[in-house]
Amino acid sequence: NAGVMQNPRHLVRRRGQEARLRCSPMKGHSHVYWYRQLPEEGLKFMVYLQKENIIDESGMPKERFSAEFPKEGPSILRIQQVVRGDSAAYFCASSPPNSQETQYFGPGTRLLVL
Amino acid sequence: QKEVEQDPGPLSVPEGAIVSLNCTYSNSAFQYFMWYRQYSRKGPELLMYTYSSGNKEDGRFTAQVDKSSKYISLFIRDSQPSDSATYLCAMSSNYGGATNKLIFGTGTLLAVQP
Repeated sequence: NAGVMQNPRHLVRRRGQEARLRCSPMKGHSHVYWYRQLPEEGLKFMVYLQKENIIDESGMPKERFSAEFPKEGPSILRIQQVVRGDSAAYFCASSPPNSQETQYFGPGTRLLVL
Repeated sequence: QKEVEQDPGPLSVPEGAIVSLNCTYSNSAFQYFMWYRQYSRKGPELLMYTYSSGNKEDGRFTAQVDKSSKYISLFIRDSQPSDSATYLCAMSSNYGGATNKLIFGTGTLLAVQP
């Protein structure tokens, strides 16, 4: 029974490069949430997606960040032209269709921007 | 003022002690209350989930919600060294079109000494 899968687990990028983070939800889950955990800070909501739809992106920075959850394949969080301040742990969570409040988290991707 | 306040600790207790972890919140629209456990460099693990006010028990864990005081608690009985982790409270609402995005406390670091 696979849980939420995220890859890569660790990602190193130089300033100005692009980072792509992938998330495969638990089987049967159709809702995906992305959160960011900065050092010494709590988890902060970024974006909520269902298949092919962005439902709530109120936590996403206005520039350089985008997310998608295509009909086939994993959800992708994309960060263009990364800066040092993007260094953080990025967590994906998924929930079943009728219980969005119960979210199960993946192991996270730790992004380091040099 | 943060929407969710949580004492960061650290909290150190001897093995076998009863642990009390707490959060306060300001948004009266919150309906769902969760406790997550996060081991170092891992993803948050859902421990307890409560809807509205009341108590919920699961093994050594008891969650309490007092909506009138905007205060939630997690009790751990017979604490074990393996309980040593950061405990995160989280809350959400789908009232008025809200999307159940989780609002987290900053987490309390617990150390159970053998």
